[in-house]
Amino acid sequence: EAGVAQSPRYKIIEKRQSVAFWCNPISGHATLYWYQQILGQGPKLLIQFQNNGVVDDSQLPKDRFSAERLKGVDSTLKIQPAKLEDSAVYLCASSLPRAPHEQFFGPGTRLTVL
Amino acid sequence: SQQGEEDPQALSIQEGENATMNCSYKTSINNLQWYRQNSGRGLVHLILIRSNEREKHSGRLRVTLDTSKKSSSLLITASRAADTASYFCAPYPISSGSARQLTFGSGTQLTVLP
Repeated sequence: EAGVAQSPRYKIIEKRQSVAFWCNPISGHATLYWYQQILGQGPKLLIQFQNNGVVDDSQLPKDRFSAERLKGVDSTLKIQPAKLEDSAVYLCASSLPRAPHEQFFGPGTRLTVL
Repeated sequence: SQQGEEDPQALSIQEGENATMNCSYKTSINNLQWYRQNSGRGLVHLILIRSNEREKHSGRLRVTLDTSKKSSSLLITASRAADTASYFCAPYPISSGSARQLTFGSGTQLTVLP
């Protein structure tokens, strides 16, 4: 079974630039999550999708972050414009709706904002 | 907070020794999970223990759960250098709706010295 795929693996940008991350969840997993993990901390949930609908985006900084999951499969997370404090690893995870606690994580995208 | 808090923050042991990490949480849970994260990688699910279980084994891993004390421990026996990683606990709350999320603490950084 293929795991959660993410790209790119690394991205370096300057502050005020825009960046986008892509995630392809495990086939059949209707629930998709984006987490932000700052160095030395645990992952923090940014947004949760159920198919192509948003379940929870309460911790997403909506003035600069946006995410979509068109067609209920792949998802993109965008930051526009980026700030220095956005430097982190962005993790995507997916799960079956009947087992939301069993999440499978992708390798993450490491973002450095200069 | 639904967040699990791991203790200690860092642990360094010799190969072959046992490693014990602890987790405390504050809300009533349905289950609790432990994840491992190797440097630069995503999280990998290790083991899940349900609220009605007190102990669970998986290979060299032993997890205990004390719901009266709202605490859990992860024991890795006969540690190997490859066990070097960050370990996170994730309590899964009983409450319904979007509040049911995995919430991670800062983790325990385990270093196994050869």
